[in-house]
Amino acid sequence: GEDVEQSLFLSVREGDSSVINCTYTDSSSTYLYWYKQEPGAGLQLLTYIFSNMDMKQDQRLTVLLNKKDKHLSLRIADTQTGDSAIYFCAESIKAAGNKLTFGGGTRVLVKP
Amino acid sequence: EAEVAQSPRYKITEKSQAVAFWCDPISGHATLYWYRQILGQGPELLVQFQDESVVDDSQLPKDRFSAERLKGVDSTLKIQPAELGDSAMYLCASSRRASHQGPSSGNTIYFGEGSWLTVV
Repeated sequence: GEDVEQSLFLSVREGDSSVINCTYTDSSSTYLYWYKQEPGAGLQLLTYIFSNMDMKQDQRLTVLLNKKDKHLSLRIADTQTGDSAIYFCAESIKAAGNKLTFGGGTRVLVKP
Repeated sequence: EAEVAQSPRYKITEKSQAVAFWCDPISGHATLYWYRQILGQGPELLVQFQDESVVDDSQLPKDRFSAERLKGVDSTLKIQPAELGDSAMYLCASSRRASHQGPSSGNTIYFGEGSWLTVV
């Protein structure tokens, strides 16, 4: 079955790196995503990784995928106060029409 | 940049009343999704349309929820009667298509700003 888990909260100082972790259970995941949600707003796609990759870098964002352990992480370099938000990990499965299954979200608080 | 439009942004209704949400996906997007996000949780899929057809409504509480996309463009999600536990944000999303092709083929899922529902 599909189950995506994330830690609830992360506090980081401005300028430091943030690492948000996610685990998933379905080994048939096709894509894994990171979305950002600011207060009262919808979801913004930050980045994604195809399941046959192990790393993807996009400016300040680095995604690492360990398929063996079913572990996904998002590293944000030089974290800014504007990065304070809730970050959701999600998986999609080709056989399920590529619908997204989300984790519960990690609230990131960036302190000046 | 094209966006997924939703209305209303906020709705307060009394329990047992009817409520409806509207979504206009990005032009040309064949697939439309309705998700429900309870405060403090991740979004959960309620219903997925491919053009005007429902392809997944397994998590839609069909005794009180209904969704339609009559012309394969905009969509309406209705709740009747509303219950206290329906208080949540209702997110609409769209993508060009739902197939084996993922975001690397341009098939990214875009979300609207959501409709907040409070049932009192």
